[in-house]
Parts: sequence; C-alpha cells; structure tokens
Amino acid sequence: DADVTQTPRNRITKTGKRIMLECSQTKGHDRMYWYRQDPGLGLRLIYYSFDVKDINKGEISDGYSVSRQAQAKFSLSLESAIPNQTALYFCATSDWDDSPTDTQYFGPGTRLTVL
Amino acid sequence: AQKITQTQPGMFVQEKEAVTLDCTYDTSDQSYGLFWYKQPSSGEMIFLIYQGSYDEQNATEGRYSLNFQKARKSANLVISASQLGDSAMYFCAMREGRGAQKLVFGQGTRLTINP
Repeated sequence: DADVTQTPRNRITKTGKRIMLECSQTKGHDRMYWYRQDPGLGLRLIYYSFDVKDINKGEISDGYSVSRQAQAKFSLSLESAIPNQTALYFCATSDWDDSPTDTQYFGPGTRLTVL
Repeated sequence: AQKITQTQPGMFVQEKEAVTLDCTYDTSDQSYGLFWYKQPSSGEMIFLIYQGSYDEQNATEGRYSLNFQKARKSANLVISASQLGDSAMYFCAMREGRGAQKLVFGQGTRLTINP
C-alpha cells in the first residue's frame, strides 16, 4: 500500500461549490504539506502543518483552508471553488528534522477541475 | 528573481545514452538542500536524489547522480544508460536553511527517451 494516499484522485466540480481533498499517510511523519501544480509550472505551497496543533500558511493560501484531524490526516478545503483553482493538488509529508535536507514524500495527486 | 532555474524545457535522448538535466539555484544561505523529483505522465511526484550544501561528495542513487558545483550554484541531474521509462518531467527543488518548510521548485524539464 502507498505511504501517502489522496482522495479523490480526480474531481470535477462547479464554481461556488465547497470541496474537500483528503490526505492520509502511514509513514508516521509529523509534518504534512499541501501544494498545487499548474500546467507548465512547478509546485507551490498552500499550507503546511508541523503537528495537529500547528498549521501555517504557505505562499498561496488565499481561498483555501486546512484541517489536521490527526497526525496521519490532513485535509484541504476550497470553501467556494473558482475556475482558477483548477490544478493538480499534492499532499506531502516529511519527518521532524530541521535539516535542510529533510526529504518530502508526495502523494499521487488529486486532479481538480472547477467548471 | 527565480530561485531555481531549469533552462531546458524539453530534451530528447536516445535510449541507453546518458543525459544531463540542468539546474541552477540562487540562495544566500550557507545551509540548503537540493532535490530532484520525477513526474511521469501519471502525475505522481517521485523523489529521486538530494544533495546537502555541506556534502563534499556528489550524491548518487543507482543510475542517478547529482553533479553539484557549489561555486557555480548548479546541481545538474545525470541519468546514466537512459531507459524508455525515464521519459517524464523532472523537477529540481531547493530547501533553504534550517527550519525552512517550503520546497521551491523549478519549472521542470520534459525528458523524452527515444527507442
């Protein structure tokens, strides 16, 4: 089984709808992240969490919210989806380590289309 | 200014040849980490290799090696004996300093291996 799973893998929704993307991990890592990838671009950080009580905004958090329900679960919500939130969304995890070489491991991604 | 620059939008290589994917970076930190990820057409992000700024030797991982030239601020990925399955997008990323949470990604290079 994959260490980092994301559900759903694909989702089509309409403008104004609320949608939640879920991430679960079995790696036992404390840190979890949400990124988005737009066509032709690298990934950009939306939110990250050090543990259940510690959630931080990334560089593009507007229009998104998150919930860390447990060490293993980190959800991303779009309260009112808009078309420019159409993207590929990735969850990632890393172990507690302040070294800059702390490696992030990514889930398979969720392809979201907002019509 | 971009922190990670990948100047090759696309590369075409014959199977079994070696290939070098370029990556230059910009940072004023002394402590940082450099990563390469592979993204096949299925979309997932696969961690390949990392190099710490204080590592004196170039990182190697199977057929992957990282040609790290600190003075030139370059961290090129070398794939030896390329295979058809190496066809994918490749992203260079950097994590700066201690406690930094964000991976900064380049725009990627699309590698196509021809039979």
